[in-house]
Amino acid sequence: QKEVEQDPGPLSVPEGAIVSLNCTYSNSAFQYFMWYRQYSRKGPELLMYTYSSGNKEDGRFTAQVDKSSKYISLFIRDSQPSDSATYLCAMRATNAGKSTFGDGTTLTVKP
Amino acid sequence: GAVVSQHPSWVICKSGTSVKIECRSLDFQATTMFWYRQFPKQSLMLMATSNEGSKATYEQGVEKDKFLINHASLTLSTLTVTSAHPEDSSFYICSAREGENEQFFGPGTRLTVL
Repeated sequence: QKEVEQDPGPLSVPEGAIVSLNCTYSNSAFQYFMWYRQYSRKGPELLMYTYSSGNKEDGRFTAQVDKSSKYISLFIRDSQPSDSATYLCAMRATNAGKSTFGDGTTLTVKP
Repeated sequence: GAVVSQHPSWVICKSGTSVKIECRSLDFQATTMFWYRQFPKQSLMLMATSNEGSKATYEQGVEKDKFLINHASLTLSTLTVTSAHPEDSSFYICSAREGENEQFFGPGTRLTVL
């Protein structure tokens, strides 16, 4: 079993929809949680960074962490075609440690 | 934000030759650099972690004599794929971080070995 499981998708939604992307994990030591966006043939770009449980909002993006359930989510409001990309969750136990990545969810937002 | 560059962005080489990929942090000091490879529609696979001035730490299953990593300065790390073969064709991505700050990724290098 992988340490980090991510809903594989692909996910296709109409423009303006609310998108929910999710990851579960098994390592209770994880405390730092990240979401990256990766466009085709490009490197990942950091979207959200969260420490421990709770919510964090940045514009149309909201990251949620529920450590008791070992479950994290990324919500995208008012989705745009430019949000079409692969979204990777990542997490690590210590701030200095290496991150473990999910396999990614490919999102397509149709105009 | 922090910028990481990679060069070249793509390279095609013949089987048996060696290829060097450069990773540079443009506006911060990269005390740690990571090298990943990514196959189509798959996630990032960490190959090695390098700290400036130290030998790289390779992940299990990654041949250190085949994938040579040098991190000689705080802004530059190189990955050399030695005696490349078609199965080494992949997308190679580096990332860099300063201290315990978040890591930032380069744009990737697509390697095709004929």
